[in-house]
Amino acid sequence: GAVVSQHPSWVICKSGTSVKIECRSLDFQATTMFWYRQFPKQSLMLMATSNEGSKATYEQGVEKDKFLINHASLTLSTLTVTSAHPEDSSFYICSAREVSSSGANVLTFGAGSRLTVL
Amino acid sequence: AQSVTQLGSHVSVSEGALVLLRCNYSSSVPPYLFWYVQYPNQGLQLLLKYTSAATLVKGINGFEAEFKKSETSFHLTKPSAHMSDAAEYFCAVSYTGTASKLTFGTGTRLQVTL
Repeated sequence: GAVVSQHPSWVICKSGTSVKIECRSLDFQATTMFWYRQFPKQSLMLMATSNEGSKATYEQGVEKDKFLINHASLTLSTLTVTSAHPEDSSFYICSAREVSSSGANVLTFGAGSRLTVL
Repeated sequence: AQSVTQLGSHVSVSEGALVLLRCNYSSSVPPYLFWYVQYPNQGLQLLLKYTSAATLVKGINGFEAEFKKSETSFHLTKPSAHMSDAAEYFCAVSYTGTASKLTFGTGTRLQVTL
């Protein structure tokens, strides 16, 4: 089945530094990927929709200059948390849309990346 | 705005007992509905989804859910709980497709006891 890989699975960084999280579709092409954020013991909140070759669409309240999303290829989307602060500490999860040979859309989630900002 | 409500943030059942996790959606238009499971520090795994093909949807690991339009509900059930079912369960909704952006419920933590 379709596999989505996220890297790193966990990262610790100092306040003020930037961190990049990668989301890769390993065996399919994904023109669209979604980035979610999950606070401890809470639900997932959609941050943005990433479309290959175009600018990401951010949800209301999400700072696009803070959370930079790049989708330069059909198998890779990256989320960069710029000038990270402790309040950015969270679990970030991506999902990728695959269009199967039958034309059906399938959504596959990555295993998530835990960011801790000291 | 589309939304789903999960009643009960925490549910505890005995091993072998019936599992019932509740989910209600808010809309006059039938949406696409999903149930996902999340194990600690992991991503989401799709259990099942409703796409209007059939009101009773069977998923993986013995789970199933029934879409009831009159009750705007999509409750998740499993006849007999297993210890390995202990996890966080999320109900989600989409009005734009089966592989589009999702709105998630607040989640229900299932505990299975001996």
